[in-house]
Amino acid sequence: EVQLVESGGGLVQPGGSLRLSCSASGFTFRQYDMNWVRQAPGKGLEWVSSISSGGSAKNYADSVKGRFTIARDNAKNALYLQVNGLRAEDTAVYYCVRNVDYWGQGTLVTVSS
Amino acid sequence: ETVMTQTPLSLSVTPGQPASISCKSSQSLLYSDGKTYLYWYVQKPGQSPQLLMYEVSSRFSGVPDRFSGSGSGTDFTLKISRVEAEDVGIYYCMQGVHLPRTFGQGTKVEIK
Repeated sequence: EVQLVESGGGLVQPGGSLRLSCSASGFTFRQYDMNWVRQAPGKGLEWVSSISSGGSAKNYADSVKGRFTIARDNAKNALYLQVNGLRAEDTAVYYCVRNVDYWGQGTLVTVSS
Repeated sequence: ETVMTQTPLSLSVTPGQPASISCKSSQSLLYSDGKTYLYWYVQKPGQSPQLLMYEVSSRFSGVPDRFSGSGSGTDFTLKISRVEAEDVGIYYCMQGVHLPRTFGQGTKVEIK
């Protein structure tokens, strides 16, 4: 069974940083591209970032470019999102997504003073 | 960026009746490999989104056959042949051709 478990969210002040993690199991992690997608409270879905299976290709939404960094560790079956320079508008549930099919339960990031 | 426009934004359906959601993209979703990368998701209350359809018309594992997808190029449709109570949720289309990946605004399906 494919499982994606996010962690690392929390309450942070504007300008602060967090490292989101996604632990993957139930499939061969190194074979899949991975994504982060977020959902602000009561809003729709917004793609944030993607990383290729080997980690060489990374892409970002313009809204996070230069502030967020995606990474993966295929030996640990783990996906990461380093989020810096957080703004109020980054408040959202952040989902880890395997390619286009399986989603984790999400981790909530709240940016507030 | 590729804009995905869904209509309607909300739908109230009597159980057993059909439902249809339209998704239009501002650019063609036909990729150079001949495939069209249009996906449908449903987010049921309190849950994460789950994949329903991939590449326009292929049902994902475990998706009932009352769900079907159609379309090409820039115009796509998700149909539910007979809506059931468990189908309540918000339905999103997403394009997987152009960066950034983009989603429709979502269509909220309720049961009458």
